[in-house]
Amino acid sequence: DAGITQSPRYKITETGRQVTLMCHQTWSHSYMFWYRQDLGHGLRLIYYSAAADITDKGEVPDGYVVSRSKTENFPLTLESATRSQTSVYFCASSETGANSPLHFGNGTRLTVT
Amino acid sequence: GESVGLHLPTLSVQEGDNSIINCAYSNSASDYFIWYKQESGKGPQFIIDIRSNMDKRQGQRVTVLLNKTVKHLSLQIAATQPGDSAVYFCAENTGGFKTIFGAGTRLFVKA
Repeated sequence: DAGITQSPRYKITETGRQVTLMCHQTWSHSYMFWYRQDLGHGLRLIYYSAAADITDKGEVPDGYVVSRSKTENFPLTLESATRSQTSVYFCASSETGANSPLHFGNGTRLTVT
Repeated sequence: GESVGLHLPTLSVQEGDNSIINCAYSNSASDYFIWYKQESGKGPQFIIDIRSNMDKRQGQRVTVLLNKTVKHLSLQIAATQPGDSAVYFCAENTGGFKTIFGAGTRLFVKA
C-alpha cells in the first residue's frame, strides 16, 4: 500500500548514544518533514526537505541531523541523544510543500534514559 | 497510545449529535488552513482544508468555516460517531513550508 512508514515504532536509548529514525514514503512527494510532538508544545518542525539533497532547518533543529539522498527516504539522526529529546517523532510528506496537506506516518516514540 | 496533552480543551458530545470544534489562528497573512484528526497511537490524519478565498467548504460529514475578519476557523462534524473520538488540530500556512499547528481539541463521543 502507498503511504509513509516510520521505523522503529518504539526506541529506548541512553544519553549520548546516536540513534537514527527512519522514514520512507511511496507517493514520490517532493517535500518531507520531521516533527516532534510533546506535551504542552504540540507539533514542532525539526527539519524539512524540498527535494533530494535539499534540506533546511525548522523551528527546533538543534541536536538533529537529516539527509535526503533519495526522494523516498528522509532519516533523522540524533547525534548524541539527550533526555530532552524524549518525544514522539512524526515524519510527513506533502505534494507541493505549500498549500497542500501533510501526510503523516504513525510516529516513533523515543525514550532517552 | 501517545497522549497529545493532558490539558487540552475537551468537547463531549452524544453519538448522533453534531460537533463543532473551534480554532483561533494567529497570522492574518495565512492563506491556507487544514484540519487534522489524531487518534491515539497514530499520526495526524488530514480531514479537510480551505483556502483564504473561501469561507466554507464541505466534505463527507464535515464542514469547515473560515472567518478571516476575526481569524476564526471551525470544524463541524455531522452525526458524530464513536469513531470520531480523537484530538483535532487546526493548522495554518502562510504559503511557505512552515505549517503552524494549534494546540488541539479532544473530542469524546458518548454512546
